[in-house]
Amino acid sequence: GIQVEQSPPDLILQEGANSTLRCNFSDSVNNLQWFHQNPWGQLINLFYIPSGTKQNGRLSATTVATERYSLLYISSSQTTDSGVYFCAVGDNDMRFGAGTRLTVKP
Amino acid sequence: GAVVSQHPSRVICKSGTSVKIECRSLDFQATTMFWYRQFPKKSLMLMATSNEGSKATYEQGVEKDKFLINHASLTLSTLTVTSAHPEDSSFYICSAYPIVSYNEQFFGPGTRLTVL
Repeated sequence: GIQVEQSPPDLILQEGANSTLRCNFSDSVNNLQWFHQNPWGQLINLFYIPSGTKQNGRLSATTVATERYSLLYISSSQTTDSGVYFCAVGDNDMRFGAGTRLTVKP
Repeated sequence: GAVVSQHPSRVICKSGTSVKIECRSLDFQATTMFWYRQFPKKSLMLMATSNEGSKATYEQGVEKDKFLINHASLTLSTLTVTSAHPEDSSFYICSAYPIVSYNEQFFGPGTRLTVL
């Protein structure tokens, strides 16, 4: 099956810093999504981005489908950005990466 | 829009009992729903694909007789953990695609199952 790798596994930032999270996947897919899992376990949809670039406030994402990777950018990070960020890919069913645990310190 | 609910949000049961978890798409119809399992500080693992009006498709290693899935309508899928044991304790999450657009997938808030 498709393999999904996320890096880095852990990231600690000072408030206000920028960060880049990476997702590599092993096969071409029709669907790629980024999620933020909040402390209660709810997955918050950040981006549906099988290709191209999207921006939403301080967050943006880019997927280069031909090279099988996606990047999530977080600018001017805030403590509320802390949590686990997942990349998930697939055609019908979705396969998740191991996640990046982000801690933003005040 | 595109809201998925789960009920219950949390359940504690005794070993040997069965527990049913409901997943509902509140504002869209879904012919396909998915069930995931997540252990503490781990990623989500796909358990099965729930198809409206037909049998579910289970991932390798998932016991279909242990995890019964029923997708009786376009807005409801249920997961029943039969004869639950402590090792079944986990966070169970469902998701769905809207029929009108098979692209972005939406996730429920999850159900935390504890088997004593």
